[in-house]
Amino acid sequence: SQQGEEDPQALSIQEGENATMNCSYKTSINNLQWYRQNSGRGLVHLILIRSNEREKHSGRLRVTLDTSKKSSSLLITASRAADTASYFCATDGSNYKLTFGKGTLLTVNP
Amino acid sequence: NAGVTQTPKFQVLKTGQSMTLQCAQDMNHEYMSWYRQDPGMGLRLIHYSVGAGITDQGEVPNGYNVSRSTTEDFPLRLLSAAPSQTSVYFCASNTGGLASDTQYFGPGTRLTVL
Repeated sequence: SQQGEEDPQALSIQEGENATMNCSYKTSINNLQWYRQNSGRGLVHLILIRSNEREKHSGRLRVTLDTSKKSSSLLITASRAADTASYFCATDGSNYKLTFGKGTLLTVNP
Repeated sequence: NAGVTQTPKFQVLKTGQSMTLQCAQDMNHEYMSWYRQDPGMGLRLIHYSVGAGITDQGEVPNGYNVSRSTTEDFPLRLLSAAPSQTSVYFCASNTGGLASDTQYFGPGTRLTVL
């Protein structure tokens, strides 16, 4: 079963705008991770946030985590056409099994 | 480092055929895993391994076998291919021994079963 669910399923914005994607999950976690997948390629790790952290930054990425609501958000600021990709959240419901959501397809129009 | 490599990139099989998808990593990672990705389904865990000689089932293990004789290699075997196994398969490894550590993904194998 899917542990994480991203919202929205698809998002289309103009270059320079901010993009926000949300992830909800069902069980308690140790960490939550965000990955990016360009079309036809493997997944690339973006950022990991631990369950005792509320916010984390990496370059133009900002991730928040609310364990009481079992939700996370990924904000990409000043989007570029190169940010066009699918974005997945992943949670570790068990120590050895990482569960991915279905992803958000982000399209950044030049 | 080459990272995580997968072969072949593309494969077409007939129903009932068997084959092995290869995965190798040169980062000395203990934890390795296999996922399949279907349209609209995200990634689903097939099997994983926490070290040489140790494997376990993920979410969708039926129809697949794995073994881990070395730290570097983690092949995935399809015993008798079925059209439902048409998918893109990704291998991943990570630095720690837990799924919660950062995963490094291979480029994927696109499999079509006719």
